[in-house]
Amino acid sequence: AQSVAQPEDQVNVAEGNPLTVKCTYSVSGNPYLFWYVQYPNRGLQFLLKYITGDNLVKGSYGFEAEFNKSQTSFHLKKPSALVSDSALYFCAVRSSGNTPLVFGKGTRLSVIA
Amino acid sequence: DTGVSQDPRHKITKRGQNVTFRCDPISEHNRLYWYRQTLGQGPEFLTYFQNEAQLEKSRLLSDRFSAERPKGSFSTLEIQRTEQGDSAMYLCASSLAGGPNGYGYTFGSGTRLTVV
Repeated sequence: AQSVAQPEDQVNVAEGNPLTVKCTYSVSGNPYLFWYVQYPNRGLQFLLKYITGDNLVKGSYGFEAEFNKSQTSFHLKKPSALVSDSALYFCAVRSSGNTPLVFGKGTRLSVIA
Repeated sequence: DTGVSQDPRHKITKRGQNVTFRCDPISEHNRLYWYRQTLGQGPEFLTYFQNEAQLEKSRLLSDRFSAERPKGSFSTLEIQRTEQGDSAMYLCASSLAGGPNGYGYTFGSGTRLTVV
């Protein structure tokens, strides 16, 4: 069975500081990992994915994530946070067999000016 | 292409009534997914289709829930005899299956259901 854990319900960071949103996963076989962002009353927007290759993945809006196989983690990072980054962030995983995405419960990011 | 469209955006219904939601995926996407999202939770998978075939429906929450994709294009999700616990955001997503690298999903804006 696939699962995702986002251990923090809320992350607060000052504008201009680096941010990290944590994600760990469990999956049989090779993981396909994703990050999505959700703004109020909106659907989920794709940020980035890891399928294979370089462990550091770069995505939209300056976000990046690092795949760590030994720690089964896929933490989302950004070097300098913006107030407009404040939103709900979801990590998701599926196995390589085209199974549906399984989502974490989400982490609310609040960037304070 | 305008992305994934869901209709209606909001639905308020009385307990015991039936409701139906529609999803129009990206036209070239052959897979379509339904998820439910309640407050403070991540999206919960319900069912999905490849073309017109429903490949997984065991996650539908009860036999009051059903979904169709009759021509492999748009899909409908029906909830019969609604209950207050059905109040949630219902999300639709589409993707292109079969690619070697695992294409991500494109989500619609969702239908927010309130059962009173």
